[in-house]
Amino acid sequence: TQLLEQSPQFLSIQEGENLTVYCNSSSVFSSLQWYRQEPGEGPVLLVTVVTGGEVKKLKRLTFQFGDARKDSSLHITAAQPGDTGLYLCAGDRTGGFKTIFGAGTRLFVKA
Amino acid sequence: DTGVSQDPRHKITKRGQNVTFRCDPISEHNRLYWYRQTLGQGPEFLTYFQNEAQLEKSRLLSDRFSAERPKGSFSTLEIQRTEQGDSAMYLCASSSNRGRGHSGNTIYFGEGSWLTVV
Repeated sequence: TQLLEQSPQFLSIQEGENLTVYCNSSSVFSSLQWYRQEPGEGPVLLVTVVTGGEVKKLKRLTFQFGDARKDSSLHITAAQPGDTGLYLCAGDRTGGFKTIFGAGTRLFVKA
Repeated sequence: DTGVSQDPRHKITKRGQNVTFRCDPISEHNRLYWYRQTLGQGPEFLTYFQNEAQLEKSRLLSDRFSAERPKGSFSTLEIQRTEQGDSAMYLCASSSNRGRGHSGNTIYFGEGSWLTVV
């Protein structure tokens, strides 16, 4: 059982569409991170959210941390083929330093 | 480039052989992590160091696996008597505990070392 559940597992959309991916847990996290990973490469950090209810924007990407710090979402506006990749959420629980990962959402954006 | 670097990037080995991977973290980072990732899965935690001390090991890390960070800088991950099930990408990451309250424990990854056991 994954401590961090990501949904959906797979998403295939047309260029220009909007999408949201989710990261949920029953545990409280002191912070959550979102990473994007391309095949054969290590994950690349997109954002860290620390405060419950926090919203961060990175160009067309909007990240939100749940008020209770148990969940997070990533919204992409007007998706582009360059957004294709594996999106991973990760977090460290309060009082811990071991970062754990969800299984990821694999996004494919068709031109 | 001052990011996390891993070596080698790819390794093909015969079953039963030993392999060793090296990781050089970001220079000012005192924490170093090893993860394993198989196709279609997120990274799975193996172990982490704070300076030279190995503070936590996953149950995934069988006695054939050993990690060291002798001087609190680079780290090595050795797999003895490799098995086909060890085939995966081994990821190293590092972080700093400075300013954690503002930035969380954000970890930064290297490009990974691919292991294929034949």
